[in-house]
Amino acid sequence: EAGVAQSPRYKIIEKRQSVAFWCNPISGHATLYWYQQILGQGPKLLIQFQNNGVVDDSQLPKDRFSAERLKGVDSTLKIQPAKLEDSAVYLCASSRDRVGDGYTFGSGTRLTVV
Amino acid sequence: GDSVTQMEGPVTLSEEAFLTINCTYTATGYPSLFWYVQYPGEGLQLLLKATKADDKGSNKGFEATYRKETTSFHLEKGSVQVSDSAVYFCALPFYNQGGKLIFGQGTELSVKP
Repeated sequence: EAGVAQSPRYKIIEKRQSVAFWCNPISGHATLYWYQQILGQGPKLLIQFQNNGVVDDSQLPKDRFSAERLKGVDSTLKIQPAKLEDSAVYLCASSRDRVGDGYTFGSGTRLTVV
Repeated sequence: GDSVTQMEGPVTLSEEAFLTINCTYTATGYPSLFWYVQYPGEGLQLLLKATKADDKGSNKGFEATYRKETTSFHLEKGSVQVSDSAVYFCALPFYNQGGKLIFGQGTELSVKP
């Protein structure tokens, strides 16, 4: 089966600019996750979708980050405006069921804010 | 709350050396436990998992045993290769919050020829 697709792979923006990331999960996977991985740290969950509904967005900085999952398939994560501390790899993952018994991750988008 | 603690890196070994990366956890109940690996420039890949106490997960020569009595899930490999150089993450699902995975901070392994 095809893996989790993410784009772009790399993005460099200036602070206060906006940026968007796209994710296409594995076909049939109901649950989709966006994680933020800062250099030298483990991934941290930003938001979890079950189909097109939000299950957990408790760690999403809602004043600048937003995410949507239209029609329960593709998802976009947006940052507006970006700050220097947003520099990280943004990972998308999907799983077949809500329990999350093992995810499949995409390759990630490396964001650098200058 | 639920949490995962890994030994700090980086770990540097010579080829064919024995590897242990420690992982301990705090959890309500007995969740599944996972090891993920991240090769340079790539996303995370599931390396192995164990779903209940005393289970041993294994893959690519790596093994980890789910120890309920010590709340540990240490990763081991008898003879590492240069190609094993990567960052390794221990993880467990937080079932009370939709099953999201909680990750340790990661342990970087560097294997020298």
